[in-house]
Amino acid sequence: SQQGEEDPQALSIQEGENATMNCSYKTSINNLQWYRQNSGRGLVHLILIRSNEREKHSGRLRVTLDTSKKSSSLLITASRAADTASYFCATDTKSSGDKLTFGTGTRLAVRP
Amino acid sequence: SQTIHQWPATLVQPVGSPLSLECTVEGTSNPNLYWYRQAAGRGLQLLFYSVGIGQISSEVPQNLSASRPQDRQFILSSKKLLLSDSGFYLCARGQGAGDEKLFFGSGTQLSVL
Repeated sequence: SQQGEEDPQALSIQEGENATMNCSYKTSINNLQWYRQNSGRGLVHLILIRSNEREKHSGRLRVTLDTSKKSSSLLITASRAADTASYFCATDTKSSGDKLTFGTGTRLAVRP
Repeated sequence: SQTIHQWPATLVQPVGSPLSLECTVEGTSNPNLYWYRQAAGRGLQLLFYSVGIGQISSEVPQNLSASRPQDRQFILSSKKLLLSDSGFYLCARGQGAGDEKLFFGSGTQLSVL
């Protein structure tokens, strides 16, 4: 079963706007990661946040983690057409070791 | 370099035919290797996991098998493909040294007809 569920399933925004995607998970985690996938391609790691962290930044990306709500959000600021892709959260737990469980993804379309 | 070579990019196979997808990786030795499957518009399902040569863990019961004959080679196989085996197959490696992030290959789109 999927550990993570992204929300929304699809998002369409205008270039320059911010995009926010959410991920909810079911069991306690060690780490949560966000990946990006261009259509028909492999996934690319974006950012990792540990269970004892609440916020992390990387360039135009901002990730938050709320372990009490078992949720995370990915914010992409000043979006570009090149940000068009699917975005997945992935979690690992103490029992899973380094095996990741992926969510269902959010498809982001950025209109030029 | 953590390059992952995965081929072919696309494959169309008839039901009942065999399958062999190969993945080779570069970078640090003794990596953890993974096979994931992605149904259209869905998330990734972990199929197999390997921590070393000859060591394979199967995550879900299915018509597929995996082998790791060499440290940097991971093979996904089937003796007889089913329609339900269609999907996008991704090979991935862990970076090692306690770093949890994965590097993915470019994937193989398998259509079983």
